[in-house]
Amino acid sequence: GENVEQHPSTLSVQEGDSAVIKCTYSDSASNYFPWYKQELGKRPQLIIDIRSNVGEKKDQRIAVTLNKTAKHFSLHITETQPEDSAVYFCAPYSGNTPLVFGKGTRLSVIA
Amino acid sequence: KAGVTQTPRYLIKTRGQQVTLSCSPISGHRSVSWYQQTPGQGLQFLFEYFSETQRNKGNFPGRFSGRQFSNSRSEMNVSTLELGDSALYLCASSLTGRRTEAFFGQGTRLTVV
Repeated sequence: GENVEQHPSTLSVQEGDSAVIKCTYSDSASNYFPWYKQELGKRPQLIIDIRSNVGEKKDQRIAVTLNKTAKHFSLHITETQPEDSAVYFCAPYSGNTPLVFGKGTRLSVIA
Repeated sequence: KAGVTQTPRYLIKTRGQQVTLSCSPISGHRSVSWYQQTPGQGLQFLFEYFSETQRNKGNFPGRFSGRQFSNSRSEMNVSTLELGDSALYLCASSLTGRRTEAFFGQGTRLTVV
């Protein structure tokens, strides 16, 4: 099955700075790469995803980049705000398997 | 449209008992997956159901089981509860369960005492 690792496990940034979270995976057949955000006490929600035929995707302050050769993809958050504080999960998907999540990265944005 | 609904929201059970959790997916979604969330282990995959059939299963003991009904509603059952089963149980529904967004319910918080 897919082996998923996220780094770092915790991240603290000053408000306004950028944050980058990296997700590495093992299955070269992976072809769908979503990121989910879970705020404290709330359910996880999809914030951005990318498919294997695209190298980068942006949505306002967040972006995801994909390096299929190296088997990793990253979440980039610019101009961080306190409401970005949450746990972020990657879930690289391959073929006939369900979504399997990384262990999560806890992001704290310090005002 | 209505979101994913899980019932009950909170449960307290005694070791050795069994428990049944329910998940009603978004209308039209045929895939329902279940996850166990604990502070140190993140979101661990339990199983996935699609059109009443278990399509995938995670690495959990046989005490954990589930099923899906013809209206796509799903239940999971845990028998002979152990203290370590205390966790937040989340279900997620999606159209097909493949390369599509998963929508999560609010979860059932199970405490085993």
